Amino acid sequence: DQQVKQNSPSLSVQEGRISILNCDYTNSMFDYFLWYKKYPAEGPTFLISISSIKDKNEDGRFTVFLNKSAKHLSLHIVPSQPGDSAVYFCAALSSGSEKLVFGKGTKLTVNP
Amino acid sequence: NAGVTQTPKFQVLKTGQSMTLQCAQDMNHNSMYWYRQDPGMGLRLIYYSASEGTTDKGEVPNGYNVSRLNKREFSLRLESAAPSQTSVYFCASSWTGGFNQPQHFGDGTRLSIL
Repeated sequence: DQQVKQNSPSLSVQEGRISILNCDYTNSMFDYFLWYKKYPAEGPTFLISISSIKDKNEDGRFTVFLNKSAKHLSLHIVPSQPGDSAVYFCAALSSGSEKLVFGKGTKLTVNP
Repeated sequence: NAGVTQTPKFQVLKTGQSMTLQCAQDMNHNSMYWYRQDPGMGLRLIYYSASEGTTDKGEVPNGYNVSRLNKREFSLRLESAAPSQTSVYFCASSWTGGFNQPQHFGDGTRLSIL
């Protein structure tokens, strides 16, 4: 059973608008969450992370929100730019573990 | 700034052939990882190495072996390739394997097994 779920395979938004990518997890032992961005034919690149002691982390246009009670996190991109078009992976980690668990990814398309 | 380098970038094998995928990092990271990504799937951990001389199984280790040759290099070997191992393989490294230590990925090896 998938421990990290990204239920939307794709998302399309207009340039300048907000992109919201969602992620749910089932394992209550996860306490560190990361978002990676992946362009075609390249490896994933780290975007932003959040620990379970926080409910929000911001880095420029990117903000991640964590709702532990709902086991849900989201990535907000404001404003969205065409260069943000990529596949976004949510990943989770338990403290003391080396095993990063990835969701299936959401393909974001930002239209000019 | 090479980061994580994977070789080869592409490879086609016949069923039953063996092959070693190479990975090297120049960031002096302690931890290294091998993942596979199949269409419509996230990355799944095959093996990892928390430090030179140690290796541990991930989620999908069957059919693979690994060697942490030194701090820089971590290789993945397919002893007898099967069509189910057709995938894109990613190597990654991090300073330590845990909290607040994002993994840095190579650009992948696309492997097809006929």
